[in-house]
Amino acid sequence: LAKTTQPISMDSYEGQEVNITCSHNNIATNDYITWYQQFPSQGPRFIIQGYKTKVTNEVASLFIPADRKSSTLSLPRVSLSDTAVYYCLVGASGGSYIPTFGRGTSLIVHP
Amino acid sequence: SQTIHQWPATLVQPVGSPLSLECTVEGTSNPNLYWYRQAAGRGLQLLFYSIGIDQISSEVPQNLSASRPQDRQFILSSKKLLLSDSGFYLCAWSVQLGVYYEQYFGPGTRLTVT
Repeated sequence: LAKTTQPISMDSYEGQEVNITCSHNNIATNDYITWYQQFPSQGPRFIIQGYKTKVTNEVASLFIPADRKSSTLSLPRVSLSDTAVYYCLVGASGGSYIPTFGRGTSLIVHP
Repeated sequence: SQTIHQWPATLVQPVGSPLSLECTVEGTSNPNLYWYRQAAGRGLQLLFYSIGIDQISSEVPQNLSASRPQDRQFILSSKKLLLSDSGFYLCAWSVQLGVYYEQYFGPGTRLTVT
């Protein structure tokens, strides 16, 4: 399984755009990238997923460069409720799906 | 729509006592099922995963075990709890959508071993 590296923590302010970068240097050809959000005492919640280039949904955008060795989760205009831990995972699309979570990035949004 | 249930929500157990946590999934068939544990302030540790009835793989050797007696039921057990078993236990299921998988988590069980 490809290992991921993320910043341990980030701070931001309401209304700002937040970009969290994840490194996955040994990502395999059939791996795709998924981001989750976790609030205290809750299970992680799926945010966004992609394989290459850019993916956008109603919550976030995911930017993946051509070499796919990193990815950036972009949260537009964060609010206090976006304070959470964000996890980056890489996993294969074929066979059994065995996602492994790292320690994630703790994002704190200040008023 | 799919729903995942876990119970109990919280549990306080003495050291050496047995454990049984249950997870059920509704609205899907033949899901992959997972048990994770999260210690305070830490990331999620994958404990077990299952691709089918009675097909269980253990990721971490420990005093915990898992069983899947039915397609949508996943049980985490222990014969004798240790203090280090305290944590937040999460059940999850995944489904393949095209070339991607999506994973969904239950509400979790907060276990305190005293």
